Amino acid sequence: GDSVTQMEGPVTLSEEAFLTINCTYTATGYPSLFWYVQYPGEGLQLLLKATKADDKGSNKGFEATYRKETTSFHLEKGSVQVSDSAVYFCALSDTGNQFYFGTGTSLTVIP
Amino acid sequence: KAGVTQTPRYLIKTRGQQVTLSCSPISGHRSVSWYQQTPGQGLQFLFEYFSETQRNKGNFPGRFSGRQFSNSRSEMNVSTLELGDSALYLCASSLERGGETQYFGPGTRLLVL
Repeated sequence: GDSVTQMEGPVTLSEEAFLTINCTYTATGYPSLFWYVQYPGEGLQLLLKATKADDKGSNKGFEATYRKETTSFHLEKGSVQVSDSAVYFCALSDTGNQFYFGTGTSLTVIP
Repeated sequence: KAGVTQTPRYLIKTRGQQVTLSCSPISGHRSVSWYQQTPGQGLQFLFEYFSETQRNKGNFPGRFSGRQFSNSRSEMNVSTLELGDSALYLCASSLERGGETQYFGPGTRLLVL
């Protein structure tokens, strides 16, 4: 079945460091891919998405490219801020609207 | 547009009781999904409703049930609560089915004592 595997955390970075959170997926069809972010005490918020191969999703300085050949959707940001501290979830949605989430990666950015 | 709303936000119950959680999707959204989030298991899919019909179901016991009303509002019910049911229950809505972005509510935090 479909599934998502993402990098284990927690990740701790200094402010202005480069961030990569790895995400790979397994899917039988052509899923849409998403990154969601969860701040403490809140629900998940959509960060970015890509719906087909080679699409790049971007938002708030974060980027991820849908790589069909490597079945990956890695999240990157060139310079993280303290306010980026949160838990990040990679997810895919198949054509049946079933969402599959990764286990989440906790990011802490220290000043 | 107002976002997804969930009520109540916090709930404390005792073992053996039952609980009903409510979710109001974004206006115009017809699909509602429910998830259980725990520190140990992460985000686990419970079920999805679309046009008042359950379309997908996760691997949860029959104690977990749900329904959707004609205005797309949804409720989920958990009967005979167990300690392990303590979790954050998240509701998400999307406009249609099939790869659509899901928009999440703030969740209902359930504590079972």
